Amino acid sequence: DGGITQSPKYLFRKEGQNVTLSCEQNLNHDAMYWYRQDPGQGLRLIYYSQIVNDFQKGDIAEGYSVSREKKESFPLTVTSAQKNPTAFYLCASTLYQGFQPQHFGDGTRLSIL
Amino acid sequence: QQQVKQSPQSLIVQKGGISIINCAYENTAFDYFPWYQQFPGKGPALLIAIRPDVSEKKEGRFTISFNKSAKQFSLHIMDSQPGDSATYFCAASMTGTASKLTFGTGTRLQVTL
Repeated sequence: DGGITQSPKYLFRKEGQNVTLSCEQNLNHDAMYWYRQDPGQGLRLIYYSQIVNDFQKGDIAEGYSVSREKKESFPLTVTSAQKNPTAFYLCASTLYQGFQPQHFGDGTRLSIL
Repeated sequence: QQQVKQSPQSLIVQKGGISIINCAYENTAFDYFPWYQQFPGKGPALLIAIRPDVSEKKEGRFTISFNKSAKQFSLHIMDSQPGDSATYFCAASMTGTASKLTFGTGTRLQVTL
């Protein structure tokens, strides 16, 4: 079955620690996205990538970093500079052709220890 | 100008009733308006989407009504069922922006027996 796999499902971060969230898709989609979801705030875009080896900042990129070395993979690192990392993180992808819907993974819930 | 405002924040509807969720936008360059359904602990899934060249789109019990002049669009769920209990997000995007979505803040729908 084609889809987006996010791992781990739950993640705990210690103070001063960087953590990396994995996102893999086998849909052959061109574009990939990372969103942060907080209660009552909807989904906010962190980073997105339209092609391999290229990515752009979204609305709330500070304290986060990404890479796109392979078409199917778009990992997100939450750095120690992100002072309020507790949230539900969602990865999405889409065919970069016209008005194609974004398909989402089932998220990673990050908490502070 | 990039915001999408969604209301109500929460909604309780009896089984068999009509659920109505409203969204408003400011940026007239938006030209794609999807609705997503999200169950707890899961990623959002596309429910239905509309382009501004039509005023209404229906898929089963779900209908989007679109008012271009008022810059508003709404989701109607007919014959609401307990299985429809979820959080619903409206979103908007525009051509040439890498399919980036701007999300509303979500509506938590509860359908009671």
